[in-house]
Parts: sequence; C-alpha cells; structure tokens
Amino acid sequence: DSGVTQTPKHLITATGQRVTLRCSPRSGDLSVYWYQQSLDQGLQFLIQYYNGEERAKGNILERFSAQQFPDLHSELNLSSLELGDSALYFCASSPPGHSPRSGELFFGEGSRLTVL
Amino acid sequence: QKEVEQDPGPLSVPEGAIVSLNCTYSNSAFQYFMWYRQYSRKGPELLMYTYSSGNKEDGRFTAQVDKSSKYISLFIRDSQPSDSATYLCAMSASSASKIIFGSGTRLSIRP
Repeated sequence: DSGVTQTPKHLITATGQRVTLRCSPRSGDLSVYWYQQSLDQGLQFLIQYYNGEERAKGNILERFSAQQFPDLHSELNLSSLELGDSALYFCASSPPGHSPRSGELFFGEGSRLTVL
Repeated sequence: QKEVEQDPGPLSVPEGAIVSLNCTYSNSAFQYFMWYRQYSRKGPELLMYTYSSGNKEDGRFTAQVDKSSKYISLFIRDSQPSDSATYLCAMSASSASKIIFGSGTRLSIRP
C-alpha cells in the first residue's frame, strides 16, 4: 500500500459527460501528480501541484482541469468526454524537497475510466 | 520525437536469465533517473533511483546511467517469475520537476 488513495476505482460513463477523480496524497507529501495511462500511449504526465499551486503542466487537454485543495487532496475534472479519454488515471505524490526521498513518486491504484 | 524512448517489448525470457532493459532520452537536463515496476492492475512502484551517471546495485537489480550517450539500463540477475511485470524508466531534471516516463517494457519470466 503506497498510502495514496484514489477514488473511484472504476467509472463508466457516456460521451459528452463530465467526471471528477479524487486523490488523497500520502501524509506529509505536498506534491501531487496526475498521469494518464492508455495502452498505446504509456504513462503520460498531465499536471503537477505543489502545496496548492500548479507547478508543471504536461499534455493536459483543455477539457481537463485539476486543482489541489488546502487539505492537499486533489481532483482531476474531465469534461466533454470522448471515447479516446478511456484510460487509467493515476495520481502520485512525492515527499517535500528536504526529504531524502524527494523526487520519488508514490502512486495510487488508479481510476479506470471507460467512456462508452 | 518523444523525450524518453523505451522498447515496449514484450520480452520473454526463461527463469534464471539475465534481463536487460533500456531507455534513451533526448533532454540533456535530466539528472534523476528511475525505474518503476508495474504489476497488472496496480500503480507503478519505485524500483531504483539514481542521480547523474554511474551504477547502482540493489540485490538482483543494477541500474546504469550513461549521460554522455543519454542511455540508461536496468539489469535483473537470476530473474524470477515474480519479476514478470511492466518496467518503466522515468527521469527528471530536478527532484522537484515533472517526471517523464517511458512507455514501459512488458517482461515475462517463464518458469
């Protein structure tokens, strides 16, 4: 158990709909990362937050948005869903910069999204 | 061109064999290099973490980084069926910056 909690584990929805994925990082970790994993694209970096602020952005679509709240949990919002958005969405957290394990990502179990 | 290239495999070897997994990268700013292991339906977990060039050994696993060639490797000695998983290389420019992953190599160890 990595200590990172993601909900829901599975989600089936229709095209055009909107969903929210939730992530609770490990206790003490300030950084949260979101990744998308599909069969043909591997693990794609979407966005990183550090202590509530956006730190880095990857190939995140405009239809997607995320935020990190004061209690450090994070949500990834996916809207106007398309068939191609079906994937496994992972959240990861990492220890603060002063920690000897800073830079190491601890992944949750993922949220499997199926768009029909 | 992707920042990190990794042969997706699949790679199938007999139990006890030495496995070599590799990645190449294009961004010379990368200084932190990692290998993650991902079992089916699970999140990736860190296997090896190295900084800059050189070798690092941990049990049956050895990670090598050659920054001059922009090439990293993971060697698994005395491979076991339990090593069957997808192995992803990952790298970043600093401990605080985004981590970029390779596409992963699916490895199968035959008993």
